[in-house]
Amino acid sequence: DIQMTQSPSSLSASVGDRVTITCRASQIITTYLNWYQQKPGEAPVLLIFATSALNLNIGVPSRFSGSGSGTDFTLTISSLQPEDFATYYCQESRSSWTFGQGTRVEVK
Amino acid sequence: QVQLVQSGGGVVQPGRSLRLSCVTSGFIFSNYGMHWVRQAPGKGLEWVASIKNDHTKKFYDDSVKGRFTISRDNSKNTLYLQMDSLRGEDTAVYYCARADYYDSRGYFDFWGQGILVTVSS
Repeated sequence: DIQMTQSPSSLSASVGDRVTITCRASQIITTYLNWYQQKPGEAPVLLIFATSALNLNIGVPSRFSGSGSGTDFTLTISSLQPEDFATYYCQESRSSWTFGQGTRVEVK
Repeated sequence: QVQLVQSGGGVVQPGRSLRLSCVTSGFIFSNYGMHWVRQAPGKGLEWVASIKNDHTKKFYDDSVKGRFTISRDNSKNTLYLQMDSLRGEDTAVYYCARADYYDSRGYFDFWGQGILVTVSS
């Protein structure tokens, strides 16, 4: 099975900060990588599919971007907004739809 | 608009059964593969099971294989998860999700609201 490892597990940031979350797959998954945002008590929301910043889900602000290929991927929030404090998950769709353990973005 | 509305959760004793439902609307249900994802209290997301749009293939995580059964009724636009021999570690919020594809790369673009299953004596 493919393992997905996110780092960091949590981070503290301020509004306006640039935030980067990384996700590493235990095997090559080319660009079979998605990102989701989840707020407490809510269902996850798709942010980016198939890795790329070109593949933002409908309604997702352009401050979110994704990149990577192979085994290493990043999610970047260019200027953190109040509504972005949440937990973020990567997911591989190459094999077993495995999620990373999540990265919690907290207020600094 | 696309909607996935879940029902069937609750408190159940270990070893007993429960069936979750996910009623969909706003899209052609029979065109899409569907999935179940769960989240234990305070934990991350865990994929549970999937079913192709035409019922032909079903897949399960090892942790539920042989105990859970995913099914669908395309005439009722409804997805099901039959959960048997429930264990304490199955306690979680369960989500149904629709899968779509871009250049063969799948993703979950719509999710149900989630429903809590608590396994406890």
